[in-house]
Amino acid sequence: ETGVTQSPTHLIKTRGQQVTLRCSSQSGHNTVSWYQQALGQGPQFIFQYYREEENGRGNFPPRFSGLQFPNYSSELNVNALELDDSALYLCASSLRGFTDTQYFGPGTRLTVL
Amino acid sequence: KNEVEQSPQNLTAQEGEFITINCSYSVGISALHWLQQHPGGGIVSLFMLSSGKKKHGRLIATINIQEKHSSLHITASHPRDSAVYICAALFISNFGNEKLTFGTGTRLTIIP
Repeated sequence: ETGVTQSPTHLIKTRGQQVTLRCSSQSGHNTVSWYQQALGQGPQFIFQYYREEENGRGNFPPRFSGLQFPNYSSELNVNALELDDSALYLCASSLRGFTDTQYFGPGTRLTVL
Repeated sequence: KNEVEQSPQNLTAQEGEFITINCSYSVGISALHWLQQHPGGGIVSLFMLSSGKKKHGRLIATINIQEKHSSLHITASHPRDSAVYICAALFISNFGNEKLTFGTGTRLTIIP
């Protein structure tokens, strides 16, 4: 059974650029959630996808968007990067949304210069 | 407003001590998660509970729905328990959307 994987591990971008982060769910999981974790803070919920549809969203602007594919892997896209977007981005997959154990990936550390 | 507060922010203890980390939330929730995060960022789910108590090895999680409070206990603490422990509360909006709100974490250091 393959765990949750994320790519890339690290990424450096400049302000105004766009970035795409990727997440592969654990086998059999149809729900993926994305989180932003700034240094020294707890994670913040960005959005959740269930069977390719967005199923809930946190307080993030529309320049944060996502996709879930038929194989349940997922992408997080961030447009018009700002310095405050520098953070660890985590994805987590589960069988039945938030009322089930969340399996986290190792994260992608994004630095915006 | 959906808020989650943890205490203490930092906790240092000697090996073998009994550890308690607290989590309070502002309004009713449908579930609460306890997570462990090691240096480097990897997060592991410890418990998900909606009532009562759960135990796994030396870890015990309890939740009191009426008091809007949950605790994570570690018995016979060990240096390998050193990590950041995070609680996350599952709120359901009036429209039925789920939102997981995290506390800021408790940094636990166990000294040999």
